[in-house]
Formats: sequence, C-alpha cells, structure tokens
Amino acid sequence: NAGVTQTPKFRVLKTGQSMTLLCAQDMNHEYMYWYRQDPGMGLRLIHYSVGEGTTAKGEVPDGYNVSRLKKQNFLLGLESAAPSQTSVYFCASSYADSQGTDTQYFGPGTRLTVL
Amino acid sequence: AQSVAQPEDQVNVAEGNPLTVKCTYSVSGNPYLFWYVQYPNRGLQFLLKYITGDNLVKGSYGFEAEFNKSQTSFHLKKPSALVSDSALYFCAVRDMNSGYSTLTFGKGTMLLVSP
Repeated sequence: NAGVTQTPKFRVLKTGQSMTLLCAQDMNHEYMYWYRQDPGMGLRLIHYSVGEGTTAKGEVPDGYNVSRLKKQNFLLGLESAAPSQTSVYFCASSYADSQGTDTQYFGPGTRLTVL
Repeated sequence: AQSVAQPEDQVNVAEGNPLTVKCTYSVSGNPYLFWYVQYPNRGLQFLLKYITGDNLVKGSYGFEAEFNKSQTSFHLKKPSALVSDSALYFCAVRDMNSGYSTLTFGKGTMLLVSP
C-alpha cells in the first residue's frame, strides 16, 4: 500500500515550457487535491476533484489545468510555465468517513523550479 | 468564508517542557478542525481532528488539541516536547454546515525544540 505517490520529485523548466505532474493513490479515495506550498503562504488549493471525471477550481487555479480520467490518478498540467509557478506541489486524497468528515493524505511533493 | 490564523511563525521550546502551538479560526457554521505536521522535505501528515464532542482531542505522537468555541481556538499541545517534534505545523478548518467544502490551511508554525 503506497498511499499517495507523485511523479516527478524534482523538475526544472524554462519559462514557456509545459509539463504534467502525476498523482496516484491506491486507497480508493473519491476526493483528490492539488496544492502549492510557498514560504510564508502555507498551502493553497489549486484544483480538486470529488470523483472520477470531475474537477473544480480552488483558490489559485490560474495557469493550471487538471484531469481525473481514472479514480486513482489526478494530473496537474502547466501549459506555459512562468517563474511565479516555482513552488512545491503537493497532491492529497481523502474519503468521507461515517461522520461526514474527510482526512486528507498527502504525497511527498514535487519541487518545481521555473527559470 | 472560512479562515485560519496561526499567529506565531515560530515557537521555541526546550526539550521536556510543555509546548503550545496556537490556532484560531473563522467559519460561518460549526467547524471541523485539523492539525497536520510536516517534517523537512516530506508531505503533510495528519495528527488529529475535532468534529464534535469532547473539547480535548488526542492524536498521534502524544499531541492533543483543545477546542474552545467561545474563543474560536484550537491550540495544539504536548506535555513534554521532544527534539524530534521539531517540524512545521499546520492548522486547518472546514465548515461542516456548508455541504462539501475544501480545507483552508493556516500559514504554518515552525516548532523548534532544543536539547
């Protein structure tokens, strides 16, 4: 049981390049999330999904796109990378328990630098 | 709208002493409250959560948190700090009366425990 995994762990891009970050979970969770973490800013939600085939915008969605074609995978795309997207990206997944709450489980993160 | 404030960027404590990491929240309804911990170069790990019931919640690694509705606070505590507790701690909130809503995280508090 690997939990939540993220690929790649590190990446350096040039401005204008594109890339896709992959998140995979093996816990059969319905909900998945993409966050970015910047110093002094905490975690900010980029996009999330409440089920296969669904996506929704979070707090900071501009410049990013996502897809959830399979329940276990959640992809984050950067179409034209900008230096402002230099950050550490975390994926998380969760399920609604019997009390109606959900506890999020996080991946190890992807450190992205845009030059 | 929901929000979380962690008023201290850093908390310093000597090993063996009690520690408190502060968190205050704002929601329109009743809150679900969470504490997560992040060790260097790792993803966030769930520590504990408050849903309803006892105001004192016990979690992993000897941590506990006290929910205070009148002060809208959810402070994290531990009776005796360990050097290994040094990490970044995040408080998060979700409004339980708003249907499905995402978590809002605080900016984080760095806990440094000295030997």
